[in-house]
Amino acid sequence: GAVVSQHPSWVICKSGTSVKIECRSLDFQATTMFWYRQFPKQSLMLMATSNEGSKATYEQGVEKDKFLINHASLTLSTLTVTSAHPEDSSFYICSATPPRGRDEQFFGPGTRLTVL
Amino acid sequence: AQSVAQPEDQVNVAEGNPLTVKCTYSVSGNPYLFWYVQYPNRGLQFLLKYITGDNLVKGSYGFEAEFNKSQTSFHLKKPSALVSDSALYFCAVRDGNSGNTPLVFGKGTRLSVIA
Repeated sequence: GAVVSQHPSWVICKSGTSVKIECRSLDFQATTMFWYRQFPKQSLMLMATSNEGSKATYEQGVEKDKFLINHASLTLSTLTVTSAHPEDSSFYICSATPPRGRDEQFFGPGTRLTVL
Repeated sequence: AQSVAQPEDQVNVAEGNPLTVKCTYSVSGNPYLFWYVQYPNRGLQFLLKYITGDNLVKGSYGFEAEFNKSQTSFHLKKPSALVSDSALYFCAVRDGNSGNTPLVFGKGTRLSVIA
């Protein structure tokens, strides 16, 4: 149990276009999801905390108008990279908080974004 | 604020030998500690956690970790390494007294097990 999926697993887009990444908790409800970004050979950097039914909380230095987060239901959060540029190319990973009684977070498989 | 230090970028070990991946942490409240493993182009897989109780925690794939409060460490260990253990390992912490907060990760340690 406690599976998190992401779609797409990889995407290539042209500079200036927008890309939407979906994060789903498949077998549990998640009131909170987290979005991370990982550069090659580096650690995960928290981008934002996504709360169902309310606005996301962004970390310092993350542009909320560029990285739009929507958490419309208890099983789905989306990250939209607007007007993508090559420097936005990265590995994006989401995680969901566990069902009651579990402490670890469950991570999606990640989405590799390449902006040409 | 929480922080995690993984002092080694790379750990090399021969297959069959014991391995240790080091982690130290800093947290103002109650430390909830985790180890995750990441294979290339994949998400993170949970290995084990320390919340409370025994300082020696056993997890997936034969891994274990020892919580040492005085040294603020949570080193990952395995008695006999396998080539398939080669991956990127992340230590993470959050303050257990702060409710539903995100994990803070170390920079990761690349483990290479040589046949």
